Amino acid sequence: QSALTQPPSASGTPGQSVAISCSRSSSNSGSGYIYWYQQLPGMAPKVLIYRNDQRPSGVPDRFSGSKSGTSASLAISGLRSEDEAHYYCVTWDDSLSAWVFGGGTKLTVL
Amino acid sequence: EVQLVESGGSLVQPGGSVRLSCAASGFTFSGSSLHWVRQAPGKGLEWVSYISSSSSTKYYTDSVKGRFTVSRDNAKNSLYLQMNSLRDDDTAVYYCTRDEGNSPFDSWGLGTLVTVSS
Repeated sequence: QSALTQPPSASGTPGQSVAISCSRSSSNSGSGYIYWYQQLPGMAPKVLIYRNDQRPSGVPDRFSGSKSGTSASLAISGLRSEDEAHYYCVTWDDSLSAWVFGGGTKLTVL
Repeated sequence: EVQLVESGGSLVQPGGSVRLSCAASGFTFSGSSLHWVRQAPGKGLEWVSYISSSSSTKYYTDSVKGRFTVSRDNAKNSLYLQMNSLRDDDTAVYYCTRDEGNSPFDSWGLGTLVTVSS
């Protein structure tokens, strides 16, 4: 049972905005930082957002992260067909001494 | 450019063993912490193990504790994962990833497939 809950799927049309949620269970303890990764079909994952809302160089500003309490969100604006991928949130759990991934959200661009 | 190249994946019988390797280049290997992350076919990502730059700290996900051992050789710029008592549910692509500090899984290899089946 994942300590991070994501919706299994999300969708949008080109140009639209979409948000993917990531909720921590109350039993999950840690610094609280959430990280987001994008996995394109057949590829290795890539970091999109680190420490809740920081974007690595090279990641378009169409991607943004936010966090409030035990919930985090990845927002994608100006949706493009190449954004169709799986998105994962991950956080450190102090009580488990383990990194915990959310189950992943498959984003479909209609 | 950071490069991580995993190898060692194979078809192994339940109860068997396999040793994965990850050859690193393009960064100061001895100064970097590293992780193994796996992905079962058609499933999501699962963190497996962590090792600090000096090997002084190691962490494992509960399901592999006592069966898997992470190690590294800083002189060879290599990371390893010794996997024993393998089970069907260990079948996955295993990725080597670099912990950059700001981001725990900053760079990824292409992965190596371990299939546990009789």
